[in-house]
Amino acid sequence: GAVVSQHPSRVICKSGTSVKIECRSLDFQATTMFWYRQFPKKSLMLMATSNEGSKATYEQGVEKDKFLINHASLTLSTLTVTSAHPEDSSFYICSAREIWGRGYWADQPQHFGDGTRLSIL
Amino acid sequence: GEDVEQSLFLSVREGDSSVINCTYTDSSSTYLYWYKQEPGAGLQLLTYIFSNMDMKQDQRLTVLLNKKDKHLSLRIADTQTGDSAIYFCAERPNSGTYKYIFGTGTRLKVLA
Repeated sequence: GAVVSQHPSRVICKSGTSVKIECRSLDFQATTMFWYRQFPKKSLMLMATSNEGSKATYEQGVEKDKFLINHASLTLSTLTVTSAHPEDSSFYICSAREIWGRGYWADQPQHFGDGTRLSIL
Repeated sequence: GEDVEQSLFLSVREGDSSVINCTYTDSSSTYLYWYKQEPGAGLQLLTYIFSNMDMKQDQRLTVLLNKKDKHLSLRIADTQTGDSAIYFCAERPNSGTYKYIFGTGTRLKVLA
């Protein structure tokens, strides 16, 4: 259980193109999804928190007009990199938060997709 | 600062035990996690520990938690070549945002 599907796995496109990445929770509902960026041999950098039915919360330094996030249903969040440039090339990973319990002590592990390798030429 | 620290590399021989260490930052963290990342892939949840526990064992994995020192460790018994990967610890501070703070990652190499 707790499978997160991320699509596409790899994208190569020209500078100026907009690219959409999908993140789906296949067997659970996710009110909250997260988008990360990972640079080579580095840890994950949280870009934004995506909440179903409301606006995403972006981390400091992340341009919300550049990285558009839509979380229209309990199983789907999308990240659109608008007018992508070579410096946007990176590995983007999404995760979805599964709710196991209720209240303060509820465990909410994040389950991750397999990532999207974005290369902008 | 807010960095969750891990040693960068660990090399062990097949069949030996591996111990990966993590020093986290927020004493309010209620859950701490260990994830595994293989090359070109996302993160796989391996195990987690609740903050009121000192130890958790799950098959070949043993997690130890020292809250006083904010130190977390992952022991892998009988390490196999398939265990070669990057291991990340993560803490979930009690901030109400459900965000994780990830460690810097430890690259485990298992020698045959």
